[in-house]
Amino acid sequence: QVTLRESGPALVKPTQTLTLTCTFSGFSLSTSGMCVSWIRQPPGKALEWLALIDWDDDKYYSTSLKTRLTISKDTSKNQVVLTMTNMDPVDTATYYCARTVGTTVVIDYWGQGTLVTVSS
Amino acid sequence: QSALTQPASVSGSPGQSITISCTGTSSDVGSYNLVSWYQQHPGKAPKLMIYEVSKRPSGVSNRFSGSKSGNTASLTISGLQAEDEADYYCCSYAGSSTRVVFGGGTKLTVL
Repeated sequence: QVTLRESGPALVKPTQTLTLTCTFSGFSLSTSGMCVSWIRQPPGKALEWLALIDWDDDKYYSTSLKTRLTISKDTSKNQVVLTMTNMDPVDTATYYCARTVGTTVVIDYWGQGTLVTVSS
Repeated sequence: QSALTQPASVSGSPGQSITISCTGTSSDVGSYNLVSWYQQHPGKAPKLMIYEVSKRPSGVSNRFSGSKSGNTASLTISGLQAEDEADYYCCSYAGSSTRVVFGGGTKLTVL
C-alpha cells in the first residue's frame, strides 16, 4: 500500500532554513505520471500548496513562495526533500507531503504531517 | 495565485443534503475538469473524496457527489451523518506553471 511520512525539525529559529524529508513506499517516482507535492496548513487555517516534483524531475512552485522553496528527489531512496529558506513565525504550520497523479494533479495519498514551529 | 473561494461554514441536520461551493476563475476551475475535494477531520490528514469534478475514489460513500458549472464547482453530501462533520477543501489544477490551488475550506456542522 502507499504510505508517506514526513520528517524534519519540530522547531526552527527565524531566518533559518527548514529542510523536510518525505519518505514514501508503495509507488516509484520513476514511474510516468507519479509526482509528490508538499502542502502546509497553519494552525486553524486552510491548506496551502507549496511545491510539486514529477517523475521527469520537473519542479513546480507556489508563485508566492517560489523564491524560498527548493524541491528535489532521490528516486533510489524513495525520498523527496523540501527546503524553505528564511523561515518566519508565519511559516509555523503542519507540513504534509502527498502523492500526486501528474496528469490530473489528484492528491490521493497524504502523509500524517509534521508540525514545524518557527520561534526564537 | 489566489485561493479558491468557499463558504466558511455550512450546516445541516442528519439525513438532509448540503452543498458546498468552490468558486475560482477561468484560469483554474473554469478551464479544467480537474477539481478535487478533500475531507479533513480535526488533527487528521486530508482524505480525497472527489476527483476530476465528479469521480469518487474506491471506498468513498456515494452520498458524496461533485459537479461544476462555469467557474464554480460544488460538493453535495446527501443523507448527512454525524461522521460527515469535518472541514472540506476544494482544489483545482491551475495551469502548467502554478499547477495547484486550494480553496479556503468550509467547516461542515451536523446539527
